[in-house]
Amino acid sequence: DQQVKQNSPSLSVQEGRISILNCDYTNSMFDYFLWYKKYPAEGPTFLISISSIKDKNEDGRFTVFLNKSAKHLSLHIVPSQPGDSAVYFCAASGHGNKLVFGAGTILRVKS
Amino acid sequence: NAGVTQTPKFQVLKTGQSMTLQCAQDMNHNSMYWYRQDPGMGLRLIYYSASEGTTDKGEVPNGYNVSRLNKREFSLRLESAAPSQTSVYFCASSEGLSGYGYTFGSGTRLTVV
Repeated sequence: DQQVKQNSPSLSVQEGRISILNCDYTNSMFDYFLWYKKYPAEGPTFLISISSIKDKNEDGRFTVFLNKSAKHLSLHIVPSQPGDSAVYFCAASGHGNKLVFGAGTILRVKS
Repeated sequence: NAGVTQTPKFQVLKTGQSMTLQCAQDMNHNSMYWYRQDPGMGLRLIYYSASEGTTDKGEVPNGYNVSRLNKREFSLRLESAAPSQTSVYFCASSEGLSGYGYTFGSGTRLTVV
């Protein structure tokens, strides 16, 4: 039973445009959401997070939006750069429990 | 640099062989984890250790054992490797179990032939 779902295995975007990565979750107990970024031959690294008490969190070119009623979050990257090409994992946790990860989305930014 | 160190980075095993993947962290974290990453499956938790002296099964524990040797080290053992265990293995650590602040190692690519 996948509690965190990333339904798009891959996404291709032109440099300078917006990248939107989506994530859905089923567990209403989740109260903290994160995005991790992974380059080939490296471990995942933390990118940005959001608490369930917020609906938006911004860090430079990266913004995460949370829609609790729809159990949906999204990561916006504006403008997209070739160095953003990586695998992006959505993750969630609830009430101090360990993270649950999605399957990941491969982002390719074309120059 | 502070972080999570995994050894080895690459390994090829024959079916039935055993091996231990090593992981050490120097951030004084309480919790440690072993994940495997497979195409289309994301990061799946194998075992975790909430604190020194405790270990628990994750989502896919079959065929694996773990040892939390001390606060710094958490090893993953394959007693009898199978081709289905071909994967990339990541160790991670965090202050506590909750979602904030997981730090991952660079991974071990294991091939079982």
